Amino acid sequence: GESVGLHLPTLSVQEGDNSIINCAYSNSASDYFIWYKQESGKGPQFIIDIRSNMDKRQGQRVTVLLNKTVKHLSLQIAATQPGDSAVYFCAEKNYGQNFVFGPGTRLSVLP
Amino acid sequence: EPEVTQTPSHQVTQMGQEVILRCVPISNHLYFYWYRQILGQKVEFLVSFYNNEISEKSEIFDDQFSVERPDGSNFTLKIRSTKLEDSAMYFCASSAGLTGELFFGEGSRLTVL
Repeated sequence: GESVGLHLPTLSVQEGDNSIINCAYSNSASDYFIWYKQESGKGPQFIIDIRSNMDKRQGQRVTVLLNKTVKHLSLQIAATQPGDSAVYFCAEKNYGQNFVFGPGTRLSVLP
Repeated sequence: EPEVTQTPSHQVTQMGQEVILRCVPISNHLYFYWYRQILGQKVEFLVSFYNNEISEKSEIFDDQFSVERPDGSNFTLKIRSTKLEDSAMYFCASSAGLTGELFFGEGSRLTVL
């Protein structure tokens, strides 16, 4: 069935290093993807999105890559900072109106 | 910056009691959603709402759940008879269009005893 999943449930990186968070999706019909950041006790916060007609999109310190051939999405965070510590979810827009969320990756930034 | 607001931030209730969670979506948005997140787990879709009716719902959204937009600003989720397993964080979200970013509220934590 349709599913969105993450390869790594936890990721620890040194402050200043780059982070890469991965996500796999199974619905080839999905045409819109969002990365959300969730800090403890808060709601998901939009980071960056990408549509299926693109393979790369850049924001401030973040880049999302979409590989439709292998149904893979990644979030790259440059120069990771302590404030980046959070759980990161990818969300896939399917044929209906609801987004399907992946299980989340916890990013821990080490000093 | 416009935001989705939710009340209450935390509600504790006895099993079998009715609970109403309230949300004020962003004012010019047309699509409204409820999601839930059991502690430590992923965000799960419950229901979407457009043009004063449910447009899609998940298996979780059974007969114990209902949604309503009683006026031009509020969007509510009612759980008729709460169960222990309803304990979770409930997030309201809204979007301007069918495609585009979902804006989430800060959530309402429901604890069922």
